[in-house]
Amino acid sequence: KAGVTQTPRYLIKTRGQQVTLSCSPISGHRSVSWYQQTPGQGLQFLFEYFSETQRNKGNFPGRFSGRQFSNSRSEMNVSTLELGDSALYLCASSFGPLGDTEAFFGQGTRLTVV
Amino acid sequence: KNEVEQSPQNLTAQEGEFITINCSYSVGISALHWLQQHPGGGIVSLFMLSSGKKKHGRLIATINIQEKHSSLHITASHPRDSAVYICAVRYNTDKLIFGTGTRLQVFP
Repeated sequence: KAGVTQTPRYLIKTRGQQVTLSCSPISGHRSVSWYQQTPGQGLQFLFEYFSETQRNKGNFPGRFSGRQFSNSRSEMNVSTLELGDSALYLCASSFGPLGDTEAFFGQGTRLTVV
Repeated sequence: KNEVEQSPQNLTAQEGEFITINCSYSVGISALHWLQQHPGGGIVSLFMLSSGKKKHGRLIATINIQEKHSSLHITASHPRDSAVYICAVRYNTDKLIFGTGTRLQVFP
């Protein structure tokens, strides 16, 4: 079956702009979680959605938001982009809530803010 | 201070060697994950553990709940095992906390 699909794979944006990233989970999976990976901070948890509800949120400013649709696809939005938002953004899907079942990761979206 | 500590940070090995990567955490957890990340960014989930030991092919993961420690072993290492290996733990807050990763290079 198809894996986790993230679009776009690469993105270049200007400071102050906003961006929306998309994640399509594996069919039947209800949990989607998002992560930011930078060379300095490593992998950090952003948030998790399960059955269209945000279950958990990491320590990120309110400029980072997300949502999940009824088909479990999820979007992540970052407003007023800063240079420090340049990172690899990964999403993962799992059948059950994050941590209870195995997570499958997408290839990521590499965002560059200039 | 990172709540998840991995060691070593970097590891080089010759093909065929037995490799161990360690992960320590600070308080009780509900689950621990081992992840593999190849250049280019894609992450593969290798194991999810809450107790004991799991084996998949040449990979073995163990966890000692009392000592708050997990190990990932690779037997008969191969150049294709070259990757970053990341430990992640799930505390009762339900969030995943990640280690800083171990960069493994296996030379032929």
